[in-house]
Amino acid sequence: GAGVSQSPSNKVTEKGKDVELRCDPISGHTALYWYRQSLGQGLEFLIYFQGNSAPDKSGLPSDRFSAERTGGSVSTLTIQRTQQEDSAVYLCASSLVHRQGGYEQYFGPGTRLTVT
Amino acid sequence: AQKITQTQPGMFVQEKEAVTLDCTYDTSDQSYGLFWYKQPSSGEMIFLIYQGSYDEQNATEGRYSLNFQKARKSANLVISASQLGDSAMYFCAMRPNTGFQKLVFGTGTRLLVSP
Repeated sequence: GAGVSQSPSNKVTEKGKDVELRCDPISGHTALYWYRQSLGQGLEFLIYFQGNSAPDKSGLPSDRFSAERTGGSVSTLTIQRTQQEDSAVYLCASSLVHRQGGYEQYFGPGTRLTVT
Repeated sequence: AQKITQTQPGMFVQEKEAVTLDCTYDTSDQSYGLFWYKQPSSGEMIFLIYQGSYDEQNATEGRYSLNFQKARKSANLVISASQLGDSAMYFCAMRPNTGFQKLVFGTGTRLLVSP
């Protein structure tokens, strides 16, 4: 079956512009996660969706970052007034959610964002 | 708070040999999961293996096994019979088994398999 897909795969933008990154999770996965990976670093959690609601936004680095999920499926991560430090690979993951534990998260290929 | 520590920035192994990638963790949760992911140069994160904190047996998946020592809070990945295609970054991660299930990742170990 289809895995997690993300678009665009690469995005180059000028400092100060807004960008939208899209994630299409695996069909039937109710949990969706956004992570950020800066060059040579591990993954940093940004936000988590259960259905369309985001119970955990603790990882969003500033109020320039926002995300939404509609129809329990596609999610969009928006970065306003981009800064050079926003340059990173943005990874989306999805999983099933079980009451007594979770399932492994399946990751998309990522969007490489470069802010010039 | 949870923390994952991977102390080996890089490891080298010859093809067909076994290699152990170290991972220690810190958490106050009683129930949690430990994961290993592989990230090849193409960038995707590939799930390899999962160990639950209450699992009595060490997890195994093909050539991958997880050496889980709960008292030491370690979850080392063992790759047997290394292959050239195993060259990649390897990340250890953990999450609680209740509540918000975000993964906390270590900084990774780059494995290079030589012929």
